[in-house]
Amino acid sequence: DTEVTQTPKHLVMGMTNKKSLKCEQHMGHRAMYWYKQKAKKPPELMFVYSYEKLSINESVPSRFSPECPNSSLLNLHLHALQPEDSALYLCASSQSGGLAEYNEQFFGPGTRLTVL
Amino acid sequence: KNQVEQSPQSLIILEGKNCTLQCNYTVSPFSNLRWYKQDTGRGPVSLTIMTFSENTKSNGRYTATLDADTKQSSLHITASQLSDSASYICVVIFTGGGNKLTFGTGTQLKVEL
Repeated sequence: DTEVTQTPKHLVMGMTNKKSLKCEQHMGHRAMYWYKQKAKKPPELMFVYSYEKLSINESVPSRFSPECPNSSLLNLHLHALQPEDSALYLCASSQSGGLAEYNEQFFGPGTRLTVL
Repeated sequence: KNQVEQSPQSLIILEGKNCTLQCNYTVSPFSNLRWYKQDTGRGPVSLTIMTFSENTKSNGRYTATLDADTKQSSLHITASQLSDSASYICVVIFTGGGNKLTFGTGTQLKVEL
């Protein structure tokens, strides 16, 4: 299984809602990532988990809260978002947290988030 | 200024034709370079990964080249198909990057009948 799955595919939420994005992989990867991608822009790294520990937080606002319950699952909890947070949220995983040529990142299909 | 620049920004070609996409980068020291294909509303899919010592890498109809001296890479697509319509993203990894991928600006390719 070389797939990263994300749910839901689409999400519409109000600025006062609390919602969660979910990501799952069964490739035995020990590093997982959250990216945010606006239209016609490259993905921007948000968080990196390595061996279930948060290793990188790219100064993301606290209204985004990541969680890694186990090595296969990654969640992104959303609360009090702004309309400008509307974007495609991508999850990725890799064998480990390094960026050597053999440590390819596999991306999920993304969750299209709209904040009203 | 973006550390990874791609050209052209967008491109339209006829089905069956070949095309070449360019990537120029300024990041160093350099570890490896990747080309991804991203369909609209989907996650990027890896096409090729090259280390600084590799000059070329092929994956089916996709051939990537790398000139580490001039810090340039290209992605050549042969016998294009309608399904090749997508955004193509060049990603550079440099050893001082703190475990981050440096994404290029992307080239939007459209293949028409």
